[in-house]
Amino acid sequence: SYELTQPPSVSVSPGQTARITCSGDALPKKYAYWYQQKSGQAPVLVIYEDSKRPSGIPERFSGSSSGTMATLTISGAQVEDEGDYYCYSTDSSGNQGVFGGGTKLTVL
Amino acid sequence: QLQLQESGPGLVKPSATLSRTCTVSGGSISSSTYYWGWIRQPPGKGLEWIGSIYYSGSTYFNPSLKSRVTISVDTSKNQFSLKLTSVTAADTAVYYCAREKYNNGHRYFDFWGQGTLVTVSS
Repeated sequence: SYELTQPPSVSVSPGQTARITCSGDALPKKYAYWYQQKSGQAPVLVIYEDSKRPSGIPERFSGSSSGTMATLTISGAQVEDEGDYYCYSTDSSGNQGVFGGGTKLTVL
Repeated sequence: QLQLQESGPGLVKPSATLSRTCTVSGGSISSSTYYWGWIRQPPGKGLEWIGSIYYSGSTYFNPSLKSRVTISVDTSKNQFSLKLTSVTAADTAVYYCAREKYNNGHRYFDFWGQGTLVTVSS
């Protein structure tokens, strides 16, 4: 079955740029989506269609995709950005949804 | 404002069937733009897509769960439901229902319910 691969953890100091990657064979054909999840809460969509930001998401969150890799970038990361980040996409048929394994972002 | 309210038992015995229902308010489950899906998250682990349904009844399932999963929709009640058979402790998880936006062959979850922990234990 289809898989998306993320690094388990990323750590940055406040104000630095955090980059979280997501790799998958179908990403050249299918968009990547990014979710932020804080402890005990439901996930929140922070990037859709590779690079679009939903209303209410700070401008420091951005996304890009090239070939089989999508990247979530948090420019000037803040302590409040700590949490788990998941990429999501579908296989090339569009029928099977899949989440990446998640990346724990630490800002300290 | 859209709300997704999950309901169902929070404790299920091993080998039994887990059942969850998601009631949609503030929007129509019969919208042509959306699928409706189930996602779960075992304690301390990542998110797992279970499956999705369109208001017409068309469904998609995670291949790893397909043999045990049924998802149905009741448009008259604005609800959709999940049944997972032959559960084990490995099925203990927070179960989320969510709205899945469909656009030209691309799908993603844009609104989530609050999630409920379902424990499989005797």
